[in-house]
Amino acid sequence: LAKTTQPISMDSYEGQEVNITCSHNNIATNDYITWYQQFPSQGPRFIIQGYKTKVTNEVASLFIPADRKSSTLSLPRVSLSDTAVYYCLVGDGPLYNQGGKLIFGQGTELSVKP
Amino acid sequence: DTGVSQDPRHKITKRGQNVTFRCDPISEHNRLYWYRQTLGQGPEFLTYFQNEAQLEKSRLLSDRFSAERPKGSFSTLEIQRTEQGDSAMYLCASSFAGPGADTQYFGPGTRLTVL
Repeated sequence: LAKTTQPISMDSYEGQEVNITCSHNNIATNDYITWYQQFPSQGPRFIIQGYKTKVTNEVASLFIPADRKSSTLSLPRVSLSDTAVYYCLVGDGPLYNQGGKLIFGQGTELSVKP
Repeated sequence: DTGVSQDPRHKITKRGQNVTFRCDPISEHNRLYWYRQTLGQGPEFLTYFQNEAQLEKSRLLSDRFSAERPKGSFSTLEIQRTEQGDSAMYLCASSFAGPGADTQYFGPGTRLTVL
């Protein structure tokens, strides 16, 4: 399973766009890229997932360059409630019969200030 | 709400006691995962089931830990002879094994404190 590297912490202000970049140099052909958000004392919450190019949902956008060795989670106009830890993970996709255990790093602690 | 549920949410026990946690996955999901998370760290994989079969166990899962998923629906995680080092958040996740990404959805967790 590919290892990921992301900044330990980031600071932002309300209303700004936040971009968190994750490096995954050894990503495999079958791997998808998934981002989770976690608040203290809660389980991780799925944010977005992608394989290549750009994915957008009502919460965030995920940008994946052609070589797939990195990805960027973009949170538009953050609010105080976006203060959380954000995890970037890569894991098995189409080879669904192999199981997709997730290996979490330490994540990026995002602090949004007023 | 049809998300993953876990029970209890909090458990305080004395060292040496046995504890059991329950996880109810999203109803159509055939995969179920257990993770453990300690303060300041990301979740660590413990074990997973596809239907009722336990397909993988982490070396973190010592012989004091046992997990079951008897009918391929809910799962239980039991810790025997608890130790203070077992204090952690125990997370359950579920997913549907099919074409495409194995997207896991997590429950709220069970916080275990061993005194």
